[in-house]
Amino acid sequence: NAGVMQNPRHLVRRRGQEARLRCSPMKGHSHVYWYRQLPEEGLKFMVYLQKENIIDESGMPKERFSAEFPKEGPSILRIQQVVRGDSAAYFCASSPPSLDGNYGYTFGSGTRLTVV
Amino acid sequence: KQEVTQIPAALSVPEGENLVLNCSFTDSAIYNLQWFRQDPGKGLTSLLLIQSSQREQTSGRLNASLDKSSGRSTLYIAASQPGDSATYLCASDTGRRALTFGSGTRLQVQP
Repeated sequence: NAGVMQNPRHLVRRRGQEARLRCSPMKGHSHVYWYRQLPEEGLKFMVYLQKENIIDESGMPKERFSAEFPKEGPSILRIQQVVRGDSAAYFCASSPPSLDGNYGYTFGSGTRLTVV
Repeated sequence: KQEVTQIPAALSVPEGENLVLNCSFTDSAIYNLQWFRQDPGKGLTSLLLIQSSQREQTSGRLNASLDKSSGRSTLYIAASQPGDSATYLCASDTGRRALTFGSGTRLQVQP
């Protein structure tokens, strides 16, 4: 089991460009979550998705940010027209469907976005 | 709104010491609480998960306890080693599946 796979590990974008971050959940996990860790700050929840559905996007900035988890393929976090303040580590986590038992959350290694 | 606080923010101890990391949360209606380890520039590694109906969980030299009534969890590390040096994060889940993280405790174990 390869765990939660995120790519790229590092991404450099110029201001105004688009950033696309990918996340493949663990095998058997159908729930995906995105978190952002700004420099010297804690992790903040952004969005929770199931296949083809956004369940909770209460932590997503209202503009420029979007997320999807299509029926086939990885989950994508998309940031349009990036600004320097978007520079952060973006982590993806996944979990199985059931809330019972010791399901826990498994995190990926993150994508470190630098906007220059 | 759930708030999670971790103290101390940083801790430096000599190898072999037993130590306790503290985590407090404001909303006691949690579904579970999870402890993670984060190494510099790396992702999060899950250490222990405590369900709301449980009082503690143990894994090797690690023991985590949960007291919902007082809004506290502690992570106990026995016989610390230099390889334990990392940032330790606690996170609460109120059932919405949106974890609320503390800011972490940066641990340095001196050889």
